Amino acid sequence: QVQLQESGPGLVKPSQTLSLTCTVSGDPISGGSYFWNWIRQPAGKGLDWIGRVHTSGNIDYHPSLNSRLRISIDKSKNQISLKLSSVTAADTAVYFCARSVWPTHYFDFWGQGMLVTVSS
Amino acid sequence: EIVMTQSPATLSVSPGDRVTLSCRASQSVDLNLAWYQQKPGQAPRLLIYRASTRATGLPARFSGSGSGTDFTLTISSLQSEDFAVYYCQQYNDWPPFTFGPGTKVDVK
Repeated sequence: QVQLQESGPGLVKPSQTLSLTCTVSGDPISGGSYFWNWIRQPAGKGLDWIGRVHTSGNIDYHPSLNSRLRISIDKSKNQISLKLSSVTAADTAVYFCARSVWPTHYFDFWGQGMLVTVSS
Repeated sequence: EIVMTQSPATLSVSPGDRVTLSCRASQSVDLNLAWYQQKPGQAPRLLIYRASTRATGLPARFSGSGSGTDFTLTISSLQSEDFAVYYCQQYNDWPPFTFGPGTKVDVK
């Protein structure tokens, strides 16, 4: 069964870049027509989809984050990365990576999530 | 962007109760709707996709229905492990994929 694990700094200073990695195990990252998604959840609030990358490299970003967001895939390491620039306190959240399978777009496997706090 | 709404925000129930949660989309999403369960400190868990298809291993007490803009998640007899927050998500139109604000099912 596929497992996902987020990792990266838990504290980022305002105006800097938030960088997270999602490591996939149990299945090759390109073992099917998969999308690898990032979803975040501010404390006590709901879920917000941020963006995704397909195993082909095609990318979709949330329109509101398009100018600050970069998502990439490293098939050799079975990893997906997230970079969000110019962060503010509003970017403080638990960040999840999750898989979806083409042609469907619901999220069938999730990582446990990682809290990232933006603070000086 | 398709806006998802859920009602009620909180539902206080007892084990054994029949529970009905509602989800509404601002425009038709056809059958492209999923339901998730989230417990404190955990990732969401997929329950239902394509409006009514149960995820692998999901107990039969969970069922989904609806199409277009109005959807329902029903738990026929609530068990203690079902106290959680439930989210709906549309995947008919993107970007972005959007979630509802959630319904918290707690103990009466």
